[in-house]
Amino acid sequence: DIVLTQSPALAVSLGQRATISCRASESVRSSMHWYQQKSGQQPKLLIYGASNLASGVPARFSGSGSGTDFTFTIDPVEADDIATYYCQQSRNDPLTFGSGTKLEIK
Amino acid sequence: QVTLKESGPGILQPSHTLSLTCSFSGFSLSTYGMGVSWIRQPSGKGLEWLASIWWNGNTYNNPSLKSRLTVSKDTSNNQAFLKVTSVDTADTATYYCAHTRGGGGRPYYFDYWGQGVMVTVSS
Repeated sequence: DIVLTQSPALAVSLGQRATISCRASESVRSSMHWYQQKSGQQPKLLIYGASNLASGVPARFSGSGSGTDFTFTIDPVEADDIATYYCQQSRNDPLTFGSGTKLEIK
Repeated sequence: QVTLKESGPGILQPSHTLSLTCSFSGFSLSTYGMGVSWIRQPSGKGLEWLASIWWNGNTYNNPSLKSRLTVSKDTSNNQAFLKVTSVDTADTATYYCAHTRGGGGRPYYFDYWGQGVMVTVSS
């Protein structure tokens, strides 16, 4: 199985940039997607195909990368962005998720 | 507008079979390219993809659950189903169904999610 490694937590000040990384144990090409999960809610798709913004998602959110190293960015961070962010790969079966990065406000 | 809603037993005993239903609207599982997936999340933990079913009836299961998973659909009633046999406490989780986009005939990403249904396995 492809293992996706994310840092557990990140603290950022409001109005600043938040950068979350996801490293895959082998190349997933551009088959990387990002989700936001707020406390008590279902996940929400933000980015698909490494860099494509999902429908209705603000342009403050962006994604980049290919192969094994991916970055998800929120710029600028707003209070409503407090959540856990997950990466997910679909290059190989089984589909796998990262363990999530919890975004906190300083 | 795509919406999905999961339903299930809430609590069941070890060794029993878990049966979940996903009722959806805004798309049809008989339309080319449409898919529904099941993902679960133990409380306070991460997400685990379980299975996907496509418009043409093809299914994909997570091998980690071996042959315990069965996914099916009822196109006329806009429903998808998941069965998990021989459950134990490790299957306690919130179970989500999600509208799935495909890539090359395989599940790619999940663009609409249900609110989830909590399932507890306990004697």
